[in-house]
Amino acid sequence: DTGVSQDPRHKITKRGQNVTFRCDPISEHNRLYWYRQTLGQGPEFLTYFQNEAQLEKSRLLSDRFSAERPKGSFSTLEIQRTEQGDSAMYLCASSQDGTTNEKLFFGSGTQLSVL
Amino acid sequence: AQTVTQSQPEMSVQEAETVTLSCTYDTSENNYYLFWYKQPPSRQMILVIRQEAYKQQNATENRFSVNFQKAAKSFSLKISDSQLGDTAMYFCAFQGAQGGSEKLVFGKGTKLTVNP
Repeated sequence: DTGVSQDPRHKITKRGQNVTFRCDPISEHNRLYWYRQTLGQGPEFLTYFQNEAQLEKSRLLSDRFSAERPKGSFSTLEIQRTEQGDSAMYLCASSQDGTTNEKLFFGSGTQLSVL
Repeated sequence: AQTVTQSQPEMSVQEAETVTLSCTYDTSENNYYLFWYKQPPSRQMILVIRQEAYKQQNATENRFSVNFQKAAKSFSLKISDSQLGDTAMYFCAFQGAQGGSEKLVFGKGTKLTVNP
């Protein structure tokens, strides 16, 4: 068990470019979550998957954002036409059984800077 | 909508002493869950302790304990015998048990520094 892995750790891009982040959850964890954390704030929920099904999406997830979890394993989060306001830490978390109140295991995040 | 407020942006404590971090929340739900997560400089958030609202007994995990006051909507974290490794950002979080949402709502965090 190597924990939740996120790649890349840092990403610098120019406004208008597309970026994609990857998250590898702990093996056999059924649920996978994406959160966004801006400087001086706590994480904000973006979306979560139960296996390959995307079950909940925040209003923060505009149409420029898309997340997938093919085959219920790793997940990708893509941001199209990036804006400076997208600069943030993108955190991924996973949990095992999918019950409410369950402990989340977080990755170290991908820090996105949009110039 | 639920909100979580942490009124102490920064705190410091001497090693081996006790410190209490404050958290208040707002909800109309009767059943819910509360959490404290720790985020060290490595950025990886780690669950410290959790509390179920229907349980009157305060949760404890080794040196960490909570003071849960449901009527006051208060959920403070007490760290006893503080250690240098406790230096981190601490986030209070709320999760509703009704409505089917699985999201955690986090506060803005308290930066705790443990001094030698």
